[in-house]
Amino acid sequence: EAGVAQSPRYKIIEKRQSVAFWCNPISGHATLYWYQQILGQGPKLLIQFQNNGVVDDSQLPKDRFSAERLKGVDSTLKIQPAKLEDSAVYLCASSPRSKGGKKSSYNEQFFGPGTRLTVL
Amino acid sequence: AQSVTQLDSHVSVSEGTPVLLRCNYSSSYSPSLFWYVQHPNKGLQLLLKYTSAATLVKGINGFEAEFKKSETSFHLTKPSAHMSDAAEYFCVVIDTGGFKTIFGAGTRLFVKA
Repeated sequence: EAGVAQSPRYKIIEKRQSVAFWCNPISGHATLYWYQQILGQGPKLLIQFQNNGVVDDSQLPKDRFSAERLKGVDSTLKIQPAKLEDSAVYLCASSPRSKGGKKSSYNEQFFGPGTRLTVL
Repeated sequence: AQSVTQLDSHVSVSEGTPVLLRCNYSSSYSPSLFWYVQHPNKGLQLLLKYTSAATLVKGINGFEAEFKKSETSFHLTKPSAHMSDAAEYFCVVIDTGGFKTIFGAGTRLFVKA
């Protein structure tokens, strides 16, 4: 089965410019996540979608970051305007719907290769 | 509030010797706990997960972890390190609702020949 796809793989922009990242999760996966991983740190969850609804965006800097998953499949993450501190790898992950009464927290998250953003 | 602390930022072992990567967590409820590995220029991969069944969890590539509720720990071990184990390892906690995924800061494992 195909994995999580992300594009572009690399992006270099100047501060105050805008940028968008795209993610296509594994087919049939209901939950989609966007993470920010700054060099030397663990990934930080920015936003979590269940189908096309947001279930957690408490760590998303909403003054400059936005994300959508309009049809409950692929998703875009946008930064407008970018700051120097936004330089990071942006990871997308997806996980399947829980079955058989199992808790959703048990589900493995499958990660894409990430987009490395450099803001100059 | 949930939190994850990986007690060592770097661990260095010789090939063939045991590996111990330490993780402590804090959670208000019964969490799910995971270990992920990230090799250079590769995506994150699941090593193993604890989901309230057996407290000793076996994962891929000979790794295992033990959930100790009294110590709020979920340390990762492997009896004998291999050169290919050199990577960054992340301990992860997720609350029972499936929300609030929190990654630890990571432990970089070096394996010497």
